[in-house]
Amino acid sequence: DTAVSQTPKYLVTQMGNDKSIKCEQNLGHDTMYWYKQDSKKFLKIMFSYNNKELIINETVPNRFSPKSPDKAHLNLHINSLELGDSAVYFCASSQESLAGDNEQFFGPGTRLTVL
Amino acid sequence: AQTVTQSQPEMSVQEAETVTLSCTYDTSESDYYLFWYKQPPSRQMILVIRQEAYKQQNATENRFSVNFQKAAKSFSLKISDSQLGDAAMYFCAYRGSYNDMRFGAGTRLTVKP
Repeated sequence: DTAVSQTPKYLVTQMGNDKSIKCEQNLGHDTMYWYKQDSKKFLKIMFSYNNKELIINETVPNRFSPKSPDKAHLNLHINSLELGDSAVYFCASSQESLAGDNEQFFGPGTRLTVL
Repeated sequence: AQTVTQSQPEMSVQEAETVTLSCTYDTSESDYYLFWYKQPPSRQMILVIRQEAYKQQNATENRFSVNFQKAAKSFSLKISDSQLGDAAMYFCAYRGSYNDMRFGAGTRLTVKP
């Protein structure tokens, strides 16, 4: 069984379009994340979200918005795509615990290419 | 803000030999967690090992072990008896009180047969 899944795995689109990437986790976790990995492999957190709060990395443009229809899903919507948005986007999830040792489980990534 | 630094963009090791990947971090927190993730060409992020800052004993997972120096804010990964399947990008990561993960820039490990 896939723990964290993302669709699509590859997405090629034109500049200016609006697109979404879906993420689902079947681990029963209460916190989900979106990361962006650029062409130099640098991984940077974009959002973390649970039923209590959405934490946004201040460097993320407001063209990016997470949408969570329920606890198991956190989709990423991107408006007015730009060339610089080309990257691999990873979804992850974890279960918050008092111990704090909540391992994050990553999805397989979505490679977005903006032409 | 917490930062994570991996000063070795690339490393190579002979099969069956030992290699150490370095990682340093900057934080003002006393309780936090450190992780090493592996990213093979498949792109999947795989947890290799983790360390709780309050534990003095270094974590080990089979051929993988860490050298955690809290005062020096250093968290290196040692891979013993390197195998071809160990070839990947390795990311050091820090997680503090805000539940978000900060990653280093990564080290690309090549294993030579």
